[in-house]
Amino acid sequence: RKEVEQDPGPFNVPEGATVAFNCTYSNSASQSFFWYRQDCRKEPKLLMSVYSSGNEDGRFTAQLNRASQYISLLIRDSKLSDSATYLCVVNPSSNTGKLIFGQGTTLQVKP
Amino acid sequence: GAVVSQHPSWVICKSGTSVKIECRSLDFQATTMFWYRQFPKQSLMLMATSNEGSKATYEQGVEKDKFLINHASLTLSTLTVTSAHPEDSSFYICSADRLDRGQPQHFGDGTRLSIL
Repeated sequence: RKEVEQDPGPFNVPEGATVAFNCTYSNSASQSFFWYRQDCRKEPKLLMSVYSSGNEDGRFTAQLNRASQYISLLIRDSKLSDSATYLCVVNPSSNTGKLIFGQGTTLQVKP
Repeated sequence: GAVVSQHPSWVICKSGTSVKIECRSLDFQATTMFWYRQFPKQSLMLMATSNEGSKATYEQGVEKDKFLINHASLTLSTLTVTSAHPEDSSFYICSADRLDRGQPQHFGDGTRLSIL
């Protein structure tokens, strides 16, 4: 089993749609969780950290369920510029900065 | 602006050549840097953790004699792909921990390596 699993997609949605991505992780002792965005042939960029209480940043909402080892990302009112690959990322230990990446979910927003 | 600089951004060279990639933290000190590799349509895979002033820690399956890492200063880590072959062609990305600010890692722009 992969340490971090995501549905690779692609998700093809029209502008304005709401889309949700899911992610599961295998290490129950994992400490920190993030969503990164990666554009084609570019480096990953931090989208948002994910907290147990859930957190929101504009059109983006992230949720964490530690009991189910499940992370989600909700994007409301999708824009064309949201088209990218979204990476679920887990830090399995507070002692290191080591990050484990999911395969990524590809989103394509169409006019 | 960029906080982690990676150089070069693109390398094309012949099989058997050794290639050095640099990763610099621009406005902070990084005692730990990370090197990742990403093949097309796959996720980033951690290759090794680079520790300033000590030996790097390699992930399982990564050959330390093939991928030489040097972290001689608090702002610079280098990855050398020795005697590169076509199967080493990949996207190599570094990142650095901004532990002093408690921020998640920031990534370099990546180096696209093509071995002919």
